Amino acid sequence: QKEVEQDPGPLSVPEGAIVSLNCTYSNSAFQYFMWYRQYSRKGPELLMYTYSSGNKEDGRFTAQVDKSSKYISLFIRDSQPSDSATYLCAMRSGGSEKLVFGKGTKLTVNP
Amino acid sequence: NAGVTQTPKFRILKIGQSMTLQCAQDMNHNYMYWYRQDPGMGLKLIYYSVGAGITDKGEVPNGYNVSRSTTEDFPLRLELAAPSQTSVYFCASSYSRNAGNSPLHFGNGTRLTVT
Repeated sequence: QKEVEQDPGPLSVPEGAIVSLNCTYSNSAFQYFMWYRQYSRKGPELLMYTYSSGNKEDGRFTAQVDKSSKYISLFIRDSQPSDSATYLCAMRSGGSEKLVFGKGTKLTVNP
Repeated sequence: NAGVTQTPKFRILKIGQSMTLQCAQDMNHNYMYWYRQDPGMGLKLIYYSVGAGITDKGEVPNGYNVSRSTTEDFPLRLELAAPSQTSVYFCASSYSRNAGNSPLHFGNGTRLTVT
């Protein structure tokens, strides 16, 4: 079983839709959970960060972590064409330097 | 403030050739990383450094070498290039290992093809 599983999509939605992106993981030691956004031919940039379990909201974006199910989610409300990008989940354990990334989900928001 | 700068942007190598991918950051970050990204495969850690003079292997270090003589620079060396090293290489840096308060800052990548 891979440490981090992420459906690569691609995912195509109309403008204004609610988007749900998900990752599952197997390592119960993971404590730090992140979502990175990567535009085409650019490096990833941090979008959301959550420590341990719970929810975090930032504007149209909500990150959720369910450690009991080893499942994390990113919700995008009122999606915009500018949200079209690849979204990568990433996580690491407390004592590690190594961030483990999912494969990324390519999202297209159509006007 | 340029952030993380990678050169070159593109390169084509023949099998067996060598090259150095350059990475420089101007944010005075201690931690620097090299990742490779293959289509549909996410990011794999090659090497990382927690400060000048200190480097360690990541998940996929074979075929690569690194050095960290200054805080600013973290070059990645490919010796005897192989087609399996065709990939997009990303350099990243962070102030500390705390991912929330100190996110990874990525460069825009070097696209390498080995034929």
